[in-house]
Amino acid sequence: GESVGLHLPTLSVQEGDNSIINCAYSNSASDYFIWYKQESGKGPQFIIDIRSNMDKRQGQRVTVLLNKTVKHLSLQIAATQPGDSAVYFCAENRRSSYKLIFGSGTRLLVRP
Amino acid sequence: DAGVTQSPTHLIKTRGQQVTLRCSPKSGHDTVSWYQQALGQGPQFIFQYYEEEERQRGNFPDRFSGHQFPNYSSELNVNALLLGDSALYLCASSLDGEQYFGPGTRLTVT
Repeated sequence: GESVGLHLPTLSVQEGDNSIINCAYSNSASDYFIWYKQESGKGPQFIIDIRSNMDKRQGQRVTVLLNKTVKHLSLQIAATQPGDSAVYFCAENRRSSYKLIFGSGTRLLVRP
Repeated sequence: DAGVTQSPTHLIKTRGQQVTLRCSPKSGHDTVSWYQQALGQGPQFIFQYYEEEERQRGNFPDRFSGHQFPNYSSELNVNALLLGDSALYLCASSLDGEQYFGPGTRLTVT
């Protein structure tokens, strides 16, 4: 069936440390993956994306890694800040489909 | 440049009633998707509208219907509301790519 899931529902990190949020997907036909950040009372905000022909993509303080062999996706946030506290979702987009399939999310808590 | 806007922000309805939610896409976007997000869950795709037609639909009953207008804005209609329809309803707009989400409408069914 369709599923994009996350290993850890809550992640607590010290301010300044690096954060790693993981995600597993089930369909090898998926060719596009996105990480979203959702703060309380707001809609999901695009962070970074990656296509299946890539293994790694870097943005500003964020890196997404894709391991197609084990169908695993991760989001790395460098020097985590209090403003990074939010729920993070991975989402999957499959070929010939217009919909995004979201996982259930991981809450990131940044300790001062 | 205004992003995606949705109205109303909050709404309380009674079981069996009907509701209409509205979405204005980001300037220049021609495609609107609707998602339902239950508390503590990821968004679930309801349907997508393009050129005033429903282009793709998720696993939602016919009680959920929509419309897209010539100016690309969109409405989501839900008939015969159930308690389980209580959720945050998100609209996302796009133009051949990244979907930009609005703040959502929080619907509570009592």
